[in-house]
Amino acid sequence: DAGVIQSPRHEVTEMGQEVTLRCKPISGHDYLFWYRQTMMRGLELLIYFNNNVPIDDSGMPEDRFSAKMPNASFSTLKIQPSEPRDSAVYFCASSLRGRSGNQPQHFGDGTRLSIL
Amino acid sequence: SQKIEQNSEALNIQEGKTATLTCNYTNYSPAYLQWYRQDPGRGPVFLLLIRENEKEKRKERLKVTFDTTLKQSLFHITASQPADSATYLCALVEYGGSQGNLIFGKGTKLSVKP
Repeated sequence: DAGVIQSPRHEVTEMGQEVTLRCKPISGHDYLFWYRQTMMRGLELLIYFNNNVPIDDSGMPEDRFSAKMPNASFSTLKIQPSEPRDSAVYFCASSLRGRSGNQPQHFGDGTRLSIL
Repeated sequence: SQKIEQNSEALNIQEGKTATLTCNYTNYSPAYLQWYRQDPGRGPVFLLLIRENEKEKRKERLKVTFDTTLKQSLFHITASQPADSATYLCALVEYGGSQGNLIFGKGTKLSVKP
């Protein structure tokens, strides 16, 4: 079975540019999560969706960040305008419906983002 | 303040020994605790889940314990192998927390030397 697919794997761009990260979750999964990982802060939840509806975006750092899930098989995370401090690895994960965290999350291999 | 801490950033052991990784939490009431493995350049991979009312869970060479009195989970790899070298992350979900509130520790990097 195909896992969570993220694209691109690497992105290098100059500050001020718009960045769009893409994610295809595992078919049949109800939940989709966007995380950011840095050495300093570890893995942080940015936003998550249930059945394509955003449930909690309290982890989104600023208005420069936005996420959409137009259908069950696709989500995007957009940064506009990008800044050097946005440099990190961004992960997408999906899971089945469960109660209070009793379902494992399945992660993609991430997008390594570098803002110059 | 709320914290989830993993005992050390790095742990080096000899092949064949048992690796023990620690996850401590403060000011959380976890309903579930999960352990993940992360290899360089890859996303975390789920290994084990343990519920608040379970003391121990096993899967092949892996064992997880959960002590709510000590506010601690221990993750053991017996008969360790160089292929077990990776970063291991613990994550918890609080009672009343939603599916999305999985809070991760920063991980422990395990190196198993042949």
